[in-house]
Amino acid sequence: EAQVTQNPRYLITVTGKKLTVTCSQNMNHEYMSWYRQDPGLGLRQIYYSMNVEVTDKGDVPEGYKVSRKEKRNFPLILESPSPNQTSLYFCASSLSWSVSTYEQYFGPGTRLTVT
Amino acid sequence: KQEVTQIPAALSVPEGENLVLNCSFTDSAIYNLQWFRQDPGKGLTSLLLIQSSQREQTSGRLNASLDKSSGRSTLYIAASQPGDSATYLCAVSPHGSSNTGKLIFGQGTTLQVKP
Repeated sequence: EAQVTQNPRYLITVTGKKLTVTCSQNMNHEYMSWYRQDPGLGLRQIYYSMNVEVTDKGDVPEGYKVSRKEKRNFPLILESPSPNQTSLYFCASSLSWSVSTYEQYFGPGTRLTVT
Repeated sequence: KQEVTQIPAALSVPEGENLVLNCSFTDSAIYNLQWFRQDPGKGLTSLLLIQSSQREQTSGRLNASLDKSSGRSTLYIAASQPGDSATYLCAVSPHGSSNTGKLIFGQGTTLQVKP
């Protein structure tokens, strides 16, 4: 089944404790990105990746890092999480970097709580 | 700055009713518009993608239209069922985003279909 998977699905952690949210897609998609969803603010892009080793900042990149060493994986790293990073996180992928043409597929989400 | 608005924020209808969800955007310079469905704990599911050159797309009981010049899209759901209960999000791919893949999302319409 073609899908985008995220792990963990739920995470409660404490301020300052480094964490990684994994994202993997099995559709051989070139493009991947991360969004966060917050009440009243909707979904906002954090980082995106056009292809392996090519990543760039979205609208709200502060406090996050990403890497794209393999085509299928795009982990989101929070080096020192803070309570304002409590949110619902979504990973997305699309066939091509020319995303204006192709639809984007989203993962199931990771609900992160930072205390 | 592109803004996407969805009205109403919530909608409750009896089963079997046909309904229309509305999406408006402030800048007509878009590559495409995508409708998603969000279910709690299941992430975002892509429903329909309309390219800027298209007027409508259909999938089963769903029909989405796009009037780019007026900045409007509608999602028509025929013969609604309780299983259609979810939050529906529209998102546009704005010009200038082709190298970021960023989608601009509306806040969503939460639909409840009562048996």
